[in-house]
Amino acid sequence: AQTVTQSQPEMSVQEAETVTLSCTYDTSESDYYLFWYKQPPSRQMILVIRQEAYKQQNATENRFSVNFQKAAKSFSLKISDSQLGDAAMYFCAYRSVTGANSKLTFGKGITLSVRP
Amino acid sequence: NAGVTQTPKFQVLKTGQSMTLQCAQDMNHEYMSWYRQDPGMGLRLIHYSVGAGITDQGEVPNGYNVSRSTTEDFPLRLLSAAPSQTSVYFCASSYTARYYEQYFGPGTRLTVT
Repeated sequence: AQTVTQSQPEMSVQEAETVTLSCTYDTSESDYYLFWYKQPPSRQMILVIRQEAYKQQNATENRFSVNFQKAAKSFSLKISDSQLGDAAMYFCAYRSVTGANSKLTFGKGITLSVRP
Repeated sequence: NAGVTQTPKFQVLKTGQSMTLQCAQDMNHEYMSWYRQDPGMGLRLIHYSVGAGITDQGEVPNGYNVSRSTTEDFPLRLLSAAPSQTSVYFCASSYTARYYEQYFGPGTRLTVT
């Protein structure tokens, strides 16, 4: 079974600075998706960025980018030019592309606070 | 296009009561699923469906029941509520079981006293 580990429960960043959120995962599969979801106080789960395992190039979405290290099974999220609206809980998630289940396996999440 | 909708947003139940959490999507998605979110646990899969008439268990199915009579609707039934079922429940859907993105509903906060 796949597991996703987010070892830091909380992080803080100064507004306009850069922060990196860590995530590691364990799998025996070679093809899969990885995601970062944001959950603000509104509770809505918002997809921030995704990475296909077969792609070597790291995904980028505006101020959000990932460092995907497939051999190390590491998938960190970098937020540049942090904004107050980035304050939220962030979840790393894994999704298999094989099997009927295709469930998302989530890490426990990290709470990010942004200092003005 | 409303996306994924869930009702109710909040619910308080007494131990032993039953209820149904409603989930609907208007995107013609084949795959639908229910997760529960507990503090420090992330989200865990309860049940899922890969199409109308087809459902299966996730990792925490005990105490819950689902059915999928239409493509649009995927209700989650609590058979006899227990305090351990106090949680936030999310419904999610995707185009197919293999499609990369799941769309989440706004969640239902359930408290069982």
